[in-house]
Amino acid sequence: AQTVTQSQPEMSVQEAETVTLSCTYDTSESDYYLFWYKQPPSRQMILVIRQEAYKQQNATENRFSVNFQKAAKSFSLKISDSQLGDAAMYFCAYRQPYNTDKLIFGTGTRLQVFP
Amino acid sequence: EPEVTQTPSHQVTQMGQEVILRCVPISNHLYFYWYRQILGQKVEFLVSFYNNEISEKSEIFDDQFSVERPDGSNFTLKIRSTKLEDSAMYFCASSPDRYQPQHFGDGTRLSIL
Repeated sequence: AQTVTQSQPEMSVQEAETVTLSCTYDTSESDYYLFWYKQPPSRQMILVIRQEAYKQQNATENRFSVNFQKAAKSFSLKISDSQLGDAAMYFCAYRQPYNTDKLIFGTGTRLQVFP
Repeated sequence: EPEVTQTPSHQVTQMGQEVILRCVPISNHLYFYWYRQILGQKVEFLVSFYNNEISEKSEIFDDQFSVERPDGSNFTLKIRSTKLEDSAMYFCASSPDRYQPQHFGDGTRLSIL
């Protein structure tokens, strides 16, 4: 069965600095999707970034980028120029593109941003 | 930007009662989902729904649970004979197709007393 592991329950970063959140996963599939979702205190989970496993190029969305290491089954999120509004719970999630629709989530990393 | 909306934001119910959690998915989306998050634990998949039927369900989603799309806009999760362990945040999500990312609502916090 697929699993997603986030080993950092909490992280903190100073405003304008860079922080990296870790995520590893376990799967025997070669084709899948990986996601980072952000859940601020307002509770709605917002998609931050998405990576297709068949793409070698790391996904980037403005200040957010990933380091996707397929062989190592690692999918870390880098937040550059951190802002106070980045403070949230961040969830890593996995999904197979076929035969299932479900997202498998990690336990989350709470990110604090200090001024 | 269109959003998934969930009501109520907080529901308090006596153990043994039935509760209905409501969701309005994004209007042109065809796939609907329910997830739950017990306090301090990871978000867990409950069920997916497409073309007016369940397409996938987890082992959590037993006979106590049911889903329905009663009209063209709402998507509901019914929990019968609620138990203390049903206390959790319940998230609804939708996507335009099974290959696009799922968009989540704010969640409903369900407290069983």
